[in-house]
Amino acid sequence: DAEITQSPRHKITETGRQVTLACHQTWNHNNMFWYRQDLGHGLRLIHYSYGVHDTNKGEVSDGYSVSRSNTEDLPLTLESAASSQTSVYFCASSGVSGSWSDTQYFGPGTRLTVL
Amino acid sequence: KNEVEQSPQNLTAQEGEFITINCSYSVGISALHWLQQHPGGGIVSLFMLSSGKKKHGRLIATINIQEKHSSLHITASHPRDSAVYICAVRYGGNQFYFGTGTSLTVIP
Repeated sequence: DAEITQSPRHKITETGRQVTLACHQTWNHNNMFWYRQDLGHGLRLIHYSYGVHDTNKGEVSDGYSVSRSNTEDLPLTLESAASSQTSVYFCASSGVSGSWSDTQYFGPGTRLTVL
Repeated sequence: KNEVEQSPQNLTAQEGEFITINCSYSVGISALHWLQQHPGGGIVSLFMLSSGKKKHGRLIATINIQEKHSSLHITASHPRDSAVYICAVRYGGNQFYFGTGTSLTVIP
């Protein structure tokens, strides 16, 4: 069965370290998204991609980067982790239409703690 | 200012009740999503709407473009419907906004 996975599921790191969160989907979806979820803010879009070599900034992209070298993966990198980036991170993917207007399939989430 | 407003924030219902969750937004949108987040944290996309109405099982989602309002209805609610329901919109370009969610508890 097709799926979307995230790794690690839990991560503790220190301020200033570079961290990469992995997202892998086997739906063969063109669109992939990274969100963070915080109490009081709900979900917020960090970055998204509509296809290989395509990346776009979302609402809260500062301090994060992504690259899309193949269809299956969209890793999220925190260049220099900050305590404000402690959050739960969700990856999602959707259809083939190259827009946000498709059903999204979410990964299980990664809980990141920055000390 | 949150660009998406959901109501109510919390809702408790008896099993079997008809439930309505509301979502309002401020300007024209290109798409609206309803998501369900289970107590364990997993998120499931329920509906994507740009107009009209959609139905899936006991769930019905409607959108009124003129009034900038969407509703999610649950008929014959069941304890397994207990979850947080989240509305999300795209205004255009890179402007995506999520409501803070409606926490639903259905009591047997």
